[in-house]
Parts: sequence; structure tokens; C-alpha cells
Amino acid sequence: GAGVSQSPSNKVTEKGKDVELRCDPISGHTALYWYRQSLGQGLEFLIYFQGNSAPDKSGLPSDRFSAERTGGSVSTLTIQRTQQEDSAVYLCASSLGAFSGNTIYFGEGSWLTVV
Amino acid sequence: AQKVTQAQTEISVVEKEDVTLDCVYETRDTTYYLFWYKQPPSGELVFLIRRNSFDEQNEISGRYSWNFQKSTSSFNFTITASQVVDSAVYFCALSERTAGAQKLVFGQGTRLTINP
Repeated sequence: GAGVSQSPSNKVTEKGKDVELRCDPISGHTALYWYRQSLGQGLEFLIYFQGNSAPDKSGLPSDRFSAERTGGSVSTLTIQRTQQEDSAVYLCASSLGAFSGNTIYFGEGSWLTVV
Repeated sequence: AQKVTQAQTEISVVEKEDVTLDCVYETRDTTYYLFWYKQPPSGELVFLIRRNSFDEQNEISGRYSWNFQKSTSSFNFTITASQVVDSAVYFCALSERTAGAQKLVFGQGTRLTINP
């Protein structure tokens, strides 16, 4: 696609439920990233994929968070047993490759509210 | 560890004024990349510029200009003749050349309001 596409745009869920957030990167981009933006923490790196593998998962805040990428394209971020502190904007991004000079392009984010 | 500081939390100016957003970074690497992103109310982070650590030339793009100074570890962003559409949160970010992951480390952002 022309840009990074994320769904849903907004999600309100009850505490304890599982949620899945989807990201469709820019066509041809092999690297895909998830970031989280919250009021208290700013923009935080969660995980990145090069192809279908995730060399760096160091930013995932707990084992309730997981992500996968299939076919070198679409990625899903799953949060199990959601907590109120998980409320944030989850931003997906992609780049041509994982080289640190590549420009990373972001989607509009998925706004998650846990009530 | 790398760090990016945007000391100005909020700036408010009147339209047509010039405004400079400050960014100071810390890194131990000799090769690194600096970025500016704009985040309008829609939420999407819009890429503005990328600069590598070996290129200290200032850059101008229309009303936008960037001043990179390695001596002071700063990468400041100036908007000339500001317009209401420039209102947004602006983020400065640093990416280091390390084996494995590419991570952007972001500053806390500066909320810029341009008043008509």
C-alpha cells in the first residue's frame, strides 16, 4: 500500500480481555516495527521484525505482549489479559530494511483504551 | 546509553513568527542518524528529515530549516513564517548504527501551537 495501515483505529476493551492489533506495512518494506505512545512514557520501542523474524523483542513490557509477522508482510500485536496501564496508542512503522539510516515511516496508530 | 532531550514542552506563537525547536542528543557512537517527525492531531508520525552524523551541512526545505552541530550535540529545527497548519507535536529522534535492531530513541516532543 501507499502508507502503513493499522487496524483498528480505536479499540475499547474490558480489563482482562485479549486484543489484537494489525499492521500492514508499506509494500516492499522488509523491516517492521511496533512502538507505543503513552502520556507518561512518551514513544517507546516494543519490537521489530526483519522479514518474519524478530531479532529484538527487548521492548515488550511483559509476557502478556506478543507479536508475529507472516509472509514478510502483515504483523499482529497481541495483548493478553489487558490491564489499564496498557491503554496507549500503538504505532506500527516500516522501513526498507533494518539499516539504521533507513527512514522509518509510521502509521496512524491504534488507540487502545482498557476500561 | 543514547538519549534525546527536547527541553521545550510547549511553544505558542502567533502566525508568521519564526520559531525554533531545540533538540539535544547523547550517544557514544560515532555513526548515528537524527530525525525529526511531526505528529498532527490525526496521530500519524510524519517524517520530516534524516541527517547522518557525518553530514553537518544545514538543510533548508521551504519554510523549514535544520541546524546540526556535532560540537554541541544539537539538531535544532526552525520554522520560518509559521502557519496555523504547522501546529503539531514535533519529535526529534536518534538512531544508532548497532548490530541487530534499529531503534529510534525519541525525545519527549514539543507541542507547537500557531495562533492566527
